[in-house]
Amino acid sequence: DIQMTQSPSSLSASVGDRVTITCQASQDISNYLNWYQQKPGKAPKLLIYDASNLETGVPSRFSGSGSGTDFTFTISSLQPEDIATYYCQQYDNLHGTFGQGTKVEIK
Amino acid sequence: EVQLVESGGGLVQPGRSLRLSCAASGFTFDDYAMHWVRQAPGKGLEWVSGISWNSGSIGYADSVKGRFTISRDNAKNSLYLQMNSLRAEDTALYYCAKDRGCGGGSCYTFDYWGQGTLVTVSS
Repeated sequence: DIQMTQSPSSLSASVGDRVTITCQASQDISNYLNWYQQKPGKAPKLLIYDASNLETGVPSRFSGSGSGTDFTFTISSLQPEDIATYYCQQYDNLHGTFGQGTKVEIK
Repeated sequence: EVQLVESGGGLVQPGRSLRLSCAASGFTFDDYAMHWVRQAPGKGLEWVSGISWNSGSIGYADSVKGRFTISRDNAKNSLYLQMNSLRAEDTALYYCAKDRGCGGGSCYTFDYWGQGTLVTVSS
């Protein structure tokens, strides 16, 4: 099974900072990589699909890149409402696997 | 508006069974694959199982294979998860999630989620 390694597990940044989260797959997954945001007590929300495509209605400060085994998720200018845990997720061969999550806090 | 409403959770003893349901509305249910994703208290997300629009393709996480069975009834716009031989480590909030769909198939991308139903396995 493909394993996903997401880092860091948590980070603290100031409003307006650029925030970057990485996700590494244990083998080539092409661009089959999604990113989700989960706020406390809420269901997850799809932000980015197929590594770099912004889901409809998601602010453009969120972006994703990468292919193969290495992927990056970026918030270009952190806003107070972005406080959440972010998860990468890959899919292959009738399986979906999430990364461990990154908790983003305001400094 | 897409709505997914889970039900069937509760407190159950180890080794017993439970059946979860998810009622879907606001979209053409039989056009999309569907999934179950769970989250143990204070932990991350874990994909549990997925089923294609016509039940022809089904996948399970290794942690539940052989114990859980996913199914759907397109006439009732409903998704189910039959959970047998439950263990303490199955304790979690179980979410129903809609597949975004890609070219008529399943792409295991979850664009709508319910609010979840809590399953607690304890004696």
